[in-house]
Amino acid sequence: QLQLQESGPGLVKPSETLSLTCTVSGGSMSSSSYYWGWIRQPPGKGLEWIASISDSGSTYYNPSLKSRVTISIDTSKNQFSLKVTSVTAADTAVYYCARPADPNTVTTAFDYWGQGTLVTVSS
Amino acid sequence: DIQMTQSPSTLSASVGDRVTITCRASYSIGSWLAWYQQKPGKAPKLLIYKASNIQSGVPSRFRGSGSGTQFTLTISSLQPDDFATYYCQQYNGYWTFGQGTKVEFK
Repeated sequence: QLQLQESGPGLVKPSETLSLTCTVSGGSMSSSSYYWGWIRQPPGKGLEWIASISDSGSTYYNPSLKSRVTISIDTSKNQFSLKVTSVTAADTAVYYCARPADPNTVTTAFDYWGQGTLVTVSS
Repeated sequence: DIQMTQSPSTLSASVGDRVTITCRASYSIGSWLAWYQQKPGKAPKLLIYKASNIQSGVPSRFRGSGSGTQFTLTISSLQPDDFATYYCQQYNGYWTFGQGTKVEFK
């Protein structure tokens, strides 16, 4: 059974960089070409897709966040990562990593999700 | 950007009720629409994909319909486990979610 697990600091200071890693277990990231993604959810609010990356490194970014976000992948470690620079309180959210249902396409929903990790931006 | 608008934002219902949630896209997305269920403190769970296809393991009381810009999620007979927040998501151009519909106990 595929499992995804987010990890990273739970508290980040304003203007600093938020860094998260998603570790995938129960399957190899390089066995099929999925667009692995990050989604976030501010407390009490809705879901926002942040970025996606394929095993070959092709990336897609939410235009509203693109200037501050970098997604990367390390298939040898079965991990992909997210960096958000110059964070503010508005970046406080539960961050989820997820895998889409279908390989080789961005036209697909997300069917595997991590449990989520709360990142708070505060001094 | 494709905007997704759900209605209502909150829905009060009782066990056994038929429940309908609507999602509208700012322009046509074909059938590239998914529905998710989210419970407090949990990750979203995929219910419906490609507008009307039910995900494996999801009860048949959940039904999705629509295409283009208008979509509907129907729960034919609400069960206690169904009280949750539901999100639509388009995936025709990147991924965009609706703002959510909370189904609460009447």
